[in-house]
Amino acid sequence: AQSVAQPEDQVNVAEGNPLTVKCTYSVSGNPYLFWYVQYPNRGLQFLLKYITGDNLVKGSYGFEAEFNKSQTSFHLKKPSALVSDSALYFCAVRDDNFNKFYFGSGTKLNVKP
Amino acid sequence: GAGVSQSPSNKVTEKGKDVELRCDPISGHTALYWYRQRLGQGLEFLIYFQGNSAPDKSGLPSDRFSAERTGESVSTLTIQRTQQEDSAVYLCASSSRGGQPQHFGDGTRLSIL
Repeated sequence: AQSVAQPEDQVNVAEGNPLTVKCTYSVSGNPYLFWYVQYPNRGLQFLLKYITGDNLVKGSYGFEAEFNKSQTSFHLKKPSALVSDSALYFCAVRDDNFNKFYFGSGTKLNVKP
Repeated sequence: GAGVSQSPSNKVTEKGKDVELRCDPISGHTALYWYRQRLGQGLEFLIYFQGNSAPDKSGLPSDRFSAERTGESVSTLTIQRTQQEDSAVYLCASSSRGGQPQHFGDGTRLSIL
């Protein structure tokens, strides 16, 4: 079965510092991985995806994610955090056979001025 | 509109009542998903529609939950005989086809008294 794990409930970082939000996955076939962001009282917004190709994927708002097959990880990164990046971040994996998505439990990112 | 629209945005009802939640997907999107998000938790898959194919209902938690979609347009999620544990935000998402990045509505916040 497909699943993702986000080991950190919360990540705190100072504005201007690099940030990393962790995600590990478990899939039975090829991994199709996604990151979404959720602001308070809003739905999720798509940030980026990995389907195939380069291990470093660039997405919206300056975010990027690094796919690591040997470590089964897909960590979200940003070189310089902004206060406005504070939100809830979800990693997701797609079930290739059924087009269903499995979401992690979410990581709350707090960026302090 | 340009995005996924959900109504109502908030619904408060008494235990035992039936509720109907509506989702208007982005025009032309053949895939539509419903998720449940309990307070402080991740997304729980409920149901997935793809075009005219039979929906994937594997995530519906009980027979009190049902959903319909007319062609590739509006979908309604119905919860009968609501219970307090049904209190959550119900999110709808659509995509151009199954497996593609999803566009989410802002959700319906359901509170059962």
